[in-house]
Amino acid sequence: DIEMTQSPSSLSASVGERVTITCRASQNIDKYLNWYQQIPGKAPKLLIYGASSLQSGVPSRFRGGGSGTDFTLTITSLQPEDFAIYFCQQSYVTTWTFGQGTKVEIK
Amino acid sequence: QIALRESGPTLVKPTQTLTLICTFSGFSLKTDSVGVGWIRQSPGKALEWLGIIYWDDDTRYLPSLKTRLTITKGTSENQVVVTLSNVSPVDTGTYFCAHKYYDFASGDGLDAFDVWGQGTMVTVSS
Repeated sequence: DIEMTQSPSSLSASVGERVTITCRASQNIDKYLNWYQQIPGKAPKLLIYGASSLQSGVPSRFRGGGSGTDFTLTITSLQPEDFAIYFCQQSYVTTWTFGQGTKVEIK
Repeated sequence: QIALRESGPTLVKPTQTLTLICTFSGFSLKTDSVGVGWIRQSPGKALEWLGIIYWDDDTRYLPSLKTRLTITKGTSENQVVVTLSNVSPVDTGTYFCAHKYYDFASGDGLDAFDVWGQGTMVTVSS
């Protein structure tokens, strides 16, 4: 299995701040990396696919980057509706795996 | 517009078999490169990919669950069924189904779950 490790596990930030979450794969996954946002009690929502492509309808303040084993999700200006849990997920092999999640809280 | 909805029991006893149904609309599981996947989330925990069934009946499973998990197309064309046998309390969680469309040959679609159901909470307890 490919293990996905996110950091930090949680962070506190203020509205308007720039936030970056990191995801590291245990082996090379090229650009087969997706990011999801989950509001507690709701289903996950796809934000970024293919490491850096913005899903339709997702605000442009969400940016994905990286390739190989190291990836980032950046929120350029945090908005109140962005306080949620973010998960990375690899689709490089047929058995997909998710990171453990990063909780973004209000400072 | 694509939509999915999970249904099934909320409480299952240990050693029993859990059966959940994903009912979907807005796409066909007969369309080339379409898949419906299952993901679960234990309370307060991370997401866990369980498996997926594709338009051509190809199925893939999480290796650790392969002996207990089965994903099939339902009797209705717009349903997918997942069964998990010999459940225990560690199988407690919210179960989601989700849509995937990705054609590796053409690059059409997304190699991701782009639409998810709302999830259904299942508790395994005697």
